[in-house]
Amino acid sequence: EVQLVESGGGLVQPGGSLRLSCAASGFIFSSDWMSWVRQAPGKGLEWVANIKRDGSENYYVDSVKGRFTISRDNAKNSLFLQMNNLRAEDTAVYYCARKFGAKFDPWGQGTLVTVSS
Amino acid sequence: QSALTQPASVSGSPGQSITISCTGASSDVGTYNYVSWYQQHPGKAPKLMIYDVTNRPSGVSNRFSGSKSGNTASLTISGLQAEDEADYYCCSYTSSSTYVFGTGTKVAVL
Repeated sequence: EVQLVESGGGLVQPGGSLRLSCAASGFIFSSDWMSWVRQAPGKGLEWVANIKRDGSENYYVDSVKGRFTISRDNAKNSLFLQMNNLRAEDTAVYYCARKFGAKFDPWGQGTLVTVSS
Repeated sequence: QSALTQPASVSGSPGQSITISCTGASSDVGTYNYVSWYQQHPGKAPKLMIYDVTNRPSGVSNRFSGSKSGNTASLTISGLQAEDEADYYCCSYTSSSTYVFGTGTKVAVL
């Protein structure tokens, strides 16, 4: 069974940093692109970033460019999102998802990031 | 990267059919057949329901179907059931090699 488990969320002050992790199992992690998608409380989904199978390409939504970095460790079947200079508007549940073609499937259960003083 | 436009809510009675629209632009929905749809129940992770405009993943009921015309994609749920009550989001690939989600639609089963 394909499974994705996020961790690393929590409360952080504005301007602070946080690193999210996503542990993958049940599929050949190194064969698939991976993504992060977030959802602010009571709001809709927002695509955040994608990373290619070998980590050689990545793409970001404009609002996080220069602040967030997506990376992966294929040897450890793990996906990461380094978030710097966090803002209140970054408060959200962050989901990792396998990007299979042009679709996101499956998704993890999400980890909550709260940016507040 | 503006969100795709969906109606805030759609409702129907059990057994009826409903359609959710998803309007984008020529830089996303209008050019690429890479529209997917996701169902999200409260407090749960999204679930893929339709991909590449019309394709249904294994395990998803054939009551769910997708289509596209111009810059607008649509999700139709036929034979509406109580379990279909959820939020639905469309998503499209864009000309910037990024992805954009729709604003979301709350489906209510009356």
